Amino acid sequence: SYELTQRPSVSVSPGQTARITCTGDAFPKQHAYWYQQKPGQAPVLVIYKDSERPSGIPERFSGSSSGTTVTLTISGVQAEDEADYYCQSTDSSGGYPNYVFGTGTKVTVL
Amino acid sequence: EVQLVESGGGLVKPGGSLRLSCAASGFTFSSYSMNWVRQAPGRGLEWVSSMSSTGSHIYYADSVKGRFTISRDNAKSSLYLQMNSLRAEDTAVYYCARAYYDGDTYGVDYWGQGTLVTVSS
Repeated sequence: SYELTQRPSVSVSPGQTARITCTGDAFPKQHAYWYQQKPGQAPVLVIYKDSERPSGIPERFSGSSSGTTVTLTISGVQAEDEADYYCQSTDSSGGYPNYVFGTGTKVTVL
Repeated sequence: EVQLVESGGGLVKPGGSLRLSCAASGFTFSSYSMNWVRQAPGRGLEWVSSMSSTGSHIYYADSVKGRFTISRDNAKSSLYLQMNSLRAEDTAVYYCARAYYDGDTYGVDYWGQGTLVTVSS
């Protein structure tokens, strides 16, 4: 099945731009989903279908795709954006939707 | 407002059983596929099982196949996970998660708060 690879950590100063990448053979055939998870909390969907933003998610969150790499960009990072971020797609090669999650990236706001 | 509330977690001995429940509200439960996703302490997210809206399609991760059983009661807007032959490596927070399908790919648009399952002697 697919593997989705993310850098373990990204550090960024407030107001700067954080870019979190996710690489895998699932792309571009499948779309990417991105989740934000703060300590002790459940994940929250921040980007779906590569670049769509759910209602209630700030505009500073955006997604893009290029070849086998998808990217979550946080523009003008705020302290509250410090969290773990996971990409996700599905592997249907086995005849059923196997949800595959990335390894996760911890975003630290300096 | 969509709400997913899990219950049933706790401490169980290796080889034991546990049944998790997820009570859904704020949406038409019978119209959505549902999932269980787990997260071991300090680890990433792992998909466990999915069930289609009518229950006609059921899928499991290889790591739980043959030991876990997903089910649902649309009349009660509830999702369940029966976990048998539990192992230490099943220790995790278990999340109930609503599926979202964009025409090509499945994702999760809503998550419950999770329930902790600890397998230890």
